[in-house]
Amino acid sequence: DIQMTQSPSSLSASVGDRVTITCRASQSIATYLNWYQQKPGKAPKVLIYAAYTLQSGVPSRFSGSGSGTDFTLTISSLQPEDYATYYCQQTYSNFRTFGPGTKVEIK
Amino acid sequence: EVQLVESGGGLVQPGGSLRLSCAASGFTFSTYWMTWVRQAPGKGLEWVANIKQDESEKYYVDSVKGRFTISRDNAKNSLYLQMNSLRVEDTAVYYCARDRPNFCRGGSCYVSDYWGQGILVTVSS
Repeated sequence: DIQMTQSPSSLSASVGDRVTITCRASQSIATYLNWYQQKPGKAPKVLIYAAYTLQSGVPSRFSGSGSGTDFTLTISSLQPEDYATYYCQQTYSNFRTFGPGTKVEIK
Repeated sequence: EVQLVESGGGLVQPGGSLRLSCAASGFTFSTYWMTWVRQAPGKGLEWVANIKQDESEKYYVDSVKGRFTISRDNAKNSLYLQMNSLRVEDTAVYYCARDRPNFCRGGSCYVSDYWGQGILVTVSS
């Protein structure tokens, strides 16, 4: 099975900061990589799919990059509503594993 | 409007069984892969199982293989998860999700674009 790792596991940032979260796959997954945002008590929400395509309705401050095994989610200017946990997910395999998550907290 | 509504959760003793349902509306259910994802209290997301449109393909995370069965009824626009031999570690909020295909280099890739609100399953004596 394909294993996913994320770094950091948590971070503290201020409003307006540029935030970068990294996701790594245990083998090449081309661009079969999604990013989700989850707030406490809520279902996850897709931000980015196919590594760099912004889901409709998602603010343009979110962007994704990468291919193969290394991927990045960037928030260009952190907003109050962005404090949440972020997960990557590979869909290269039908066993569609998630990363462990990155919690973005207020500094 | 796309809607997914889970039901069937609750408290069950270890070794017991439970059947989750997910009622879909607002889209052509029979044309989408569907997925179950769970989240243990205070933990991250765990992909559990998925099922192809015609049930010809089903996949499970290792920890539930042989105990859980995913199925669907396209005539009823419904997704199911039959959970047997439940363990304390199966305690989680269970979400159903729709898997939308997209273009990726090399073929179709999927994203879970709509999710239900989640249903809590508690396994405890």
